[in-house]
Amino acid sequence: ETGVTQSPTHLIKTRGQQVTLRCSSQSGHNTVSWYQQALGQGPQFIFQYYREEENGRGNFPPRFSGLQFPNYSSELNVNALELDDSALYLCASSPAGHYSYEQYFGPGTRLTVT
Amino acid sequence: GQQLNQSPQSMFIQEGEDVSMNCTSSSIFNTWLWYKQEPGEGPVLLIALYKAGELTSNGRLTAQFGITRKDSFLNISASIPSDVGIYFCAVNTGNQFYFGTGTSLTVIP
Repeated sequence: ETGVTQSPTHLIKTRGQQVTLRCSSQSGHNTVSWYQQALGQGPQFIFQYYREEENGRGNFPPRFSGLQFPNYSSELNVNALELDDSALYLCASSPAGHYSYEQYFGPGTRLTVT
Repeated sequence: GQQLNQSPQSMFIQEGEDVSMNCTSSSIFNTWLWYKQEPGEGPVLLIALYKAGELTSNGRLTAQFGITRKDSFLNISASIPSDVGIYFCAVNTGNQFYFGTGTSLTVIP
């Protein structure tokens, strides 16, 4: 069984640029969530995708957007990057049904904005 | 957003000792989850709790869903060096997920 994978591992961008991060969900999981984790803090929920539609969103501005594809993989897009966007971005997948709250995380993408 | 307060913030213990940590909130939740995160990695799910008062074990780890549904506890028995990491509680409300502030555990051999 393949776990959650994310790409790239590390990324350096300049303020004002746009970035796309990618996530492949664990086999059999149809829901994907994205989190931002600043250094020394817990993960902050950005949004969740189910059946290719946004299914819940945290307190993040519209310049954070996402996509989910028919194979349940997902992208996180961030426009107009700001210095405070520097963080570890985590993707988590979960199965449908009773265990849908149990999220399984990938290793994350470390984004640095200069 | 929801505030989940974890205590203690950090712990330094001797190998073999037992560990207790907790997570509290001012709101009621129907699901409590505990995760462990090691440096450079994503959080790993340890235990999921679905019912108030529920006590669930996973090896040396035991977690309890508080009877008030506003708190949860995680205990680790006979700690070993590989228990080192940051432990997070997490809850779900509607389609939003919240993580606690974390408890950093250091095990001294």
